[in-house]
Amino acid sequence: GAGVSQSPRYKVAKRGQDVALRCDPISGHVSLFWYQQALGQGPEFLTYFQNEAQLDKSGLPSDRFFAERPEGSVSTLKIQRTQQEDSAVYLCASSLVEGALSDTQYFGPGTRLTVL
Amino acid sequence: AQTVTQSQPEMSVQEAETVTLSCTYDTSESDYYLFWYKQPPSRQMILVIRQEAYKQQNATENRFSVNFQKAAKSFSLKISDSQLGDAAMYFCAYKWGSQGNLIFGKGTKLSVKP
Repeated sequence: GAGVSQSPRYKVAKRGQDVALRCDPISGHVSLFWYQQALGQGPEFLTYFQNEAQLDKSGLPSDRFFAERPEGSVSTLKIQRTQQEDSAVYLCASSLVEGALSDTQYFGPGTRLTVL
Repeated sequence: AQTVTQSQPEMSVQEAETVTLSCTYDTSESDYYLFWYKQPPSRQMILVIRQEAYKQQNATENRFSVNFQKAAKSFSLKISDSQLGDAAMYFCAYKWGSQGNLIFGKGTKLSVKP
């Protein structure tokens, strides 16, 4: 079946603009994660959903970042009033079950956000 | 706090040769998983291999194997018979607890020379 998809693949925003990044997880996957990957770094956790419930948002760097998954499938990461330090690749991952340590996360191709 | 350290920013290997990528981690947890992910230039992360902390036996997946030293908190990846398609960023990652978000190292860029 189809893997995790993300759109857009590339986004250029002027500082101060709002952006919305979309993630389509693998169908039927309960868990969904967002990660931020700065240039030359490993991904860092932003937030986690179990179905439509956002169970952990401890990694969101500021209150300008907001994520939702209203129907337990597609998720959107929104960044308000973008700043240059928000420039990064935003990765989405999904996994089949909830709370299973052994469960594998499948990643999307990411959205590269550049803030000018 | 849990951390993952990859001390080799870049590595190079000749095609058909063997290379080992290093990873150490710090944790006070007893049950956790360790992973190696590959990220080619297209950016999509692909799982290479994983290891459960409770398993003594080192995981293997075809040409990929790990050397898991739990007491030393070390988790290295060995790639045998390296191929040009192995060239990528390799990330070591750690997962624990019921939620399961991954903690990544900074990555090692592997180049394969023909």
